[in-house]
Amino acid sequence: QKEVEQNSGPLSVPEGAIASLNCTYSDRGSQSFFWYRQYSGKSPELIMFIYSNGDKEDGRFTAQLNKASQYVSLLIRDSQPSDSATYLCAVNGGNAGNMLTFGGGTRLMVKP
Amino acid sequence: DGGITQSPKYLFRKEGQNVTLSCEQNLNHDAMYWYRQDPGQGLRLIYYSQIVNDFQKGDIAEGYSVSREKKESFPLTVTSAQKNPTAFYLCASSSLGRGRARNEQFFGPGTRLTVL
Repeated sequence: QKEVEQNSGPLSVPEGAIASLNCTYSDRGSQSFFWYRQYSGKSPELIMFIYSNGDKEDGRFTAQLNKASQYVSLLIRDSQPSDSATYLCAVNGGNAGNMLTFGGGTRLMVKP
Repeated sequence: DGGITQSPKYLFRKEGQNVTLSCEQNLNHDAMYWYRQDPGQGLRLIYYSQIVNDFQKGDIAEGYSVSREKKESFPLTVTSAQKNPTAFYLCASSSLGRGRARNEQFFGPGTRLTVL
């Protein structure tokens, strides 16, 4: 079983819709959770982090964390074609200590 | 400007050659990392270092070597022992915290290595 799992996609949504990206993790001791966006051919850039149960909002992005279910998600409201990218979930803490464990990423396509 | 630089951006290697990828950071981060990314795949950890003159193997260290002589620099050598080195190589750095500290990793722009 992979430690951090994401659906590889592609997830296709129309422009203006809400995109929902999901990530599950296996280490219950995990403490911090990160979402990175990676455009094709580019390096990942951090867009959100969360470490408390519940929701965290930043502009059009909302990160949701449910530690009991070992589940973290990223919602993108009013999706734009420029949001088309691969989104990587990363988890820190627990057995990994200070290291980040990355999921395989979900490719998002926003169609005009 | 603070950040992480990698060079070269593109690198071509003949089979049997060793090549060294450069990574420099001026963020005063203690930890540095090397990842490999294959097309359509996630990131796989090659090596990491949390302090000068010390480094640890990641999940796919075979065929690679690193050094950490300065806090700012963490070069990666892809040796001829690496059988399939064509990939996108990413260097990252982070501070070291405890507990719920963020520890987010900041990435350089990457080096795309192609074996001819």
